[in-house]
Amino acid sequence: EVQVVDSGGGLVQPGGSLRLSCGASGFTFSSYWMSWVRQAPGKGLEWVANIRQDGNEMYYVDSVKGRFRISRDNAMNSLYLQMNSLRDEDTAVYYCARDSSSGLGFMDVWGKGTTVTVSS
Amino acid sequence: AIRMTQSPSSLSASTGDRVTITCRASQYISTYLAWYQQKPGKAPKVLISSASTLESGVPSRFSGSGSGTDFTLTISYLQSEDFATYYCQQFYSYPRTFGQGTKVEIK
Repeated sequence: EVQVVDSGGGLVQPGGSLRLSCGASGFTFSSYWMSWVRQAPGKGLEWVANIRQDGNEMYYVDSVKGRFRISRDNAMNSLYLQMNSLRDEDTAVYYCARDSSSGLGFMDVWGKGTTVTVSS
Repeated sequence: AIRMTQSPSSLSASTGDRVTITCRASQYISTYLAWYQQKPGKAPKVLISSASTLESGVPSRFSGSGSGTDFTLTISYLQSEDFATYYCQQFYSYPRTFGQGTKVEIK
């Protein structure tokens, strides 16, 4: 079964750090771009970042540039999101998602999400 | 960043109704547009890609159209399992952006 499983969320104080993880199975992880998408409580979807198959090209939404870092380990079939200098507005459910097999920029496989709460 | 604007933000409909949701991009995006369905507490699910391509396993009552800046998602015969929130997303340029969502509720 093709799936991604996201984890690592939790409660963190403003200014703190957290690392999210995403494990992939059922497909050739190293052949796909991968993304993180978040959803603040009661709000819509916001694309956060993505990373190319070889890990050498990444893109970020402006609001996280310089604070978040996306990375991957193809040998471990894993995707990561290192989040530093966290702010209240980073509170959200974070979804790991696979970019489509066609190479286009939509997401066709999603994790269940992991919740990040930034609060003192 | 390209802004995606959906209308309406919410709508009430009955089972069997035809429902249309529109999505407008703030600039040209060709057909680089996807539609997602999200149910409460669940991850989004892609319905339509490239503006009009029905994804595998998605019922044929869903259809998409449009190009350039104006797009439409149509549900031809609303079923009970279609009550959800729908989002459009452009993948023409970075950062990828979503519309604010359209909540389809039971009348």
